[in-house]
Parts: sequence; C-alpha cells; structure tokens
Amino acid sequence: EVQLVQSGAEVKKPGESLKISCKGSGYSFTSYWLGWVRQMPGKGLEWMGIIYPGDSDIRYSPSFQGQVTISADKSISTAYLQWSSLKASDTAMYYCARSLGGVIAQFDYWGQGTLVTVSS
Amino acid sequence: QSVLTQPPSVSGAPGQRVTISCTGSSSNIGAGYDVHWYQQLPGTAPKLLIYVNTNRPSGVPDRFSGSASGASASLAITGLQAEDEADYYCQSYDSSLSGSIFGGGTKLTVL
Repeated sequence: EVQLVQSGAEVKKPGESLKISCKGSGYSFTSYWLGWVRQMPGKGLEWMGIIYPGDSDIRYSPSFQGQVTISADKSISTAYLQWSSLKASDTAMYYCARSLGGVIAQFDYWGQGTLVTVSS
Repeated sequence: QSVLTQPPSVSGAPGQRVTISCTGSSSNIGAGYDVHWYQQLPGTAPKLLIYVNTNRPSGVPDRFSGSASGASASLAITGLQAEDEADYYCQSYDSSLSGSIFGGGTKLTVL
C-alpha cells in the first residue's frame, strides 16, 4: 500500500527555521517525483515545487523559489521542505504528494498534511 | 488570481448534473498540456479524481467525467449526491512559469 506520512504540526515564531518531512512507503521512492503543495487558511492549493529523489532534480514554482528549500534523503525514503526564516504569511497546511511524471503530471497519492503556524 | 480560472461556487440538487469549468490560456491548457482534477472533502487532503483530461483512477465512480477543448477543461458530475459536497481543483502545466499550477478551486454545494 502506497503511503506518504508527514511530520506533525508545528508552531513557530517569526524568524525561526523549520524543516518538515514526508516519508514514502509501499513503492519505489526513487522512481517517483515528490511534490509540495501549500494551502493557506481558507484558500486554494498552490504548487510549490517538486523533487525526483532518484537524482535530486528539483523544480520550484517562481513564487516559491528562494523562499523554501526542497530536498530528499533516498536512504530513508523521506523528502523535506524547509524554511530558514519563517514569516507569519507561511502559516498554512503543507501537503506532499507523489507524481510519476514530474511537473506535468498528476499527483496520485497525497500525505495527510502538516499544519505550520507562525505566530509571535 | 489564478492562471487557471474556475467558478468560485456551483450548486445542484441531488440527482442533478453539474459542471465545473477550468479556463486557461495558450501557455497551459491551450498549449495542449494535460488537465487533472482533485476533490477535497472538508478537513482532508485532496484526492485525485480525473487525470490526463478524461481518465478516472480506480475507485472513482463513473459519475465523474472530464473533458478538455481548446484552452478550457471541464469536470462533470452526474447523479449528484450529498457526499459530493467538496472543493474541486483543476491542475495543469504552464510553460511560461515552467511549473505546474492549480485553479482557484470551486466549492460544490449539494442543495
């Protein structure tokens, strides 16, 4: 059974750093892309970027380039999304999702989401 | 303001048919890039509903269907049920952004 299990909810202060994770199981982790999607409170889905763990090829949305860092550790089948300095506007639910075809393809499996709250 | 435009809301009575449009441009749907659709029930992660314009993943009822023509795509839901009440999103690739994009989402209300 394909599963994407994300790390738990986080409460942080502005300026702090954060790294959230997404662990894949039930499939070949290095053969699929893993993307990240933001959903701000009460708002729609936003495509942030995607990584191919097989060779660490990464593509970012222009809106998120330079704002976040996507990485993966294929030895433990885990992808990451990290911030070096959080802002209140980073408060959102973040989903990871699997894609066979990268930027043009659909996300067929999704994680449960990680809620990030940034507040002073 | 999303690059892919969806109506903010649609509604229908049980048993009726509704459609949700997704209008793009020459750099995304109009360029021939595939459209995918997701259903997001309240408080849950999105779920793939339609992929590559018209295909249903295993387990998705055939009440859901997709189509695409020109720079637009549509999701049709027939035999509307109370459990269909959710937010629906289209997704495609945009060559000017060199990345994937989602529509703004449509809230379906079953009357």
